Amino acid sequence: DIQMTQSPSTLSASVGERVTITCRASQSVGSWLAWYQQKAGTAPKILIQMVSSLETAVSSRFSGSGSGTEFTLTISSLQPDDFATYYCQQYNTYPFTFGPGTKVDIK
Amino acid sequence: EVQLVESGGGLVQPGGSLRLSCATSGFTFSSYWMTWVRQAPGKGLEWVANINQDGSEKYYVGSVKGRFIISRDNAKNSLYLQMNTLRAEDTAIYYCARGFNAAYWGQGTLVTVSS
Repeated sequence: DIQMTQSPSTLSASVGERVTITCRASQSVGSWLAWYQQKAGTAPKILIQMVSSLETAVSSRFSGSGSGTEFTLTISSLQPDDFATYYCQQYNTYPFTFGPGTKVDIK
Repeated sequence: EVQLVESGGGLVQPGGSLRLSCATSGFTFSSYWMTWVRQAPGKGLEWVANINQDGSEKYYVGSVKGRFIISRDNAKNSLYLQMNTLRAEDTAIYYCARGFNAAYWGQGTLVTVSS
């Protein structure tokens, strides 16, 4: 199975800060990489698919980049609504796998 | 509006069975892959299984192969997960999601496996 790792596991940041989360795959997943946001007690919400394609109605302060085995999610200016846990997921090779998550909390 | 509503969760003893359902509306169900994802209490997300549009292709994570069966009824716009020989480690919230890459999610249904 393809192992996904994320760093950092927890990130403390202030409103307005630029935030970057890294996701690494144990082998190439091409461009089949998605990012999800999950707030406590709710279902995950997709933010980005295919590395950098922003989902409809997702704020443009979110962006994704990378290829192969290393990917990043960037929030250009952190807003109060962005404090949540973020997961990457590869959907290139079965079984599809998620990263362990990065919790973004208030500094 | 796209809606997915899971049901069928509950408390079951180890070794028991449970069938989850996911009723959908607001989109052409028969045009999409469908996915089950689970989340153990306080833990991360785990992809469980998916199924193609006509049910001819099904894929599973290794830990549930041979125990869980994903299926769909396009006439009823519904997705199912038959879970057999349940174990304590299957305890989780089970989400159904639309698409190959889980673009829309239901609210989840809790499955607790315990004696």
